Amino acid sequence: DTEVTQTPKHLVMGMTNKKSLKCEQHMGHRAMYWYKQKAKKPPELMFVYSYEKLSINESVPSRFSPECPNSSLLNLHLHALQPEDSALYLCASSQIDMGLSGNEQFFGPGTRLTVL
Amino acid sequence: SQQGEEDPQALSIQEGENATMNCSYKTSINNLQWYRQNSGRGLVHLILIRSNEREKHSGRLRVTLDTSKKSSSLLITASRAADTASYFCAMFSGSRLTFGEGTQLTVNP
Repeated sequence: DTEVTQTPKHLVMGMTNKKSLKCEQHMGHRAMYWYKQKAKKPPELMFVYSYEKLSINESVPSRFSPECPNSSLLNLHLHALQPEDSALYLCASSQIDMGLSGNEQFFGPGTRLTVL
Repeated sequence: SQQGEEDPQALSIQEGENATMNCSYKTSINNLQWYRQNSGRGLVHLILIRSNEREKHSGRLRVTLDTSKKSSSLLITASRAADTASYFCAMFSGSRLTFGEGTQLTVNP
């Protein structure tokens, strides 16, 4: 199984709502990532989890709250978002390279988020 | 910060022709990767070239890396309509992957 799944595919939420994005992989990868992608722009890294621990937070506003309950699951909790947060949210996973030289990342299809 | 620039921003060719995309970056890297993205979907990894490698092949793909010029190129030979997509280079450094701006490739049947 070389697939990363994300739910939901589409999400529309108001600025006062609380919602969660979910990501799952069963490739045994111990690194998982959240990216944000605006239209016609490249993905931008938000968070990195290594061995279920948050290792990188790219100064993301606290209205985005990541969680890694186990080695297969990654969540992104959303609260009090702004319209400018509307984007495609991509999850990815990879093996951890102990030499820190980096490995290929496997991406999910993304969740298209619209904040009204 | 590590930023990648790609050129051209857009490329339109006929089926059977070759497509070349270029990527330049600013700081040292561990490796450079190329990804493809179809119309706002997830990214698909194409090829990874490490900083001590100069050229790599995978099927119809050929990637070169020149660390002295901080640049890389992706060549797709004998293109097909199904190759139509956005192509991103991505630089791995400091435990993070940073993407270039991307090239939109259109292959006309």
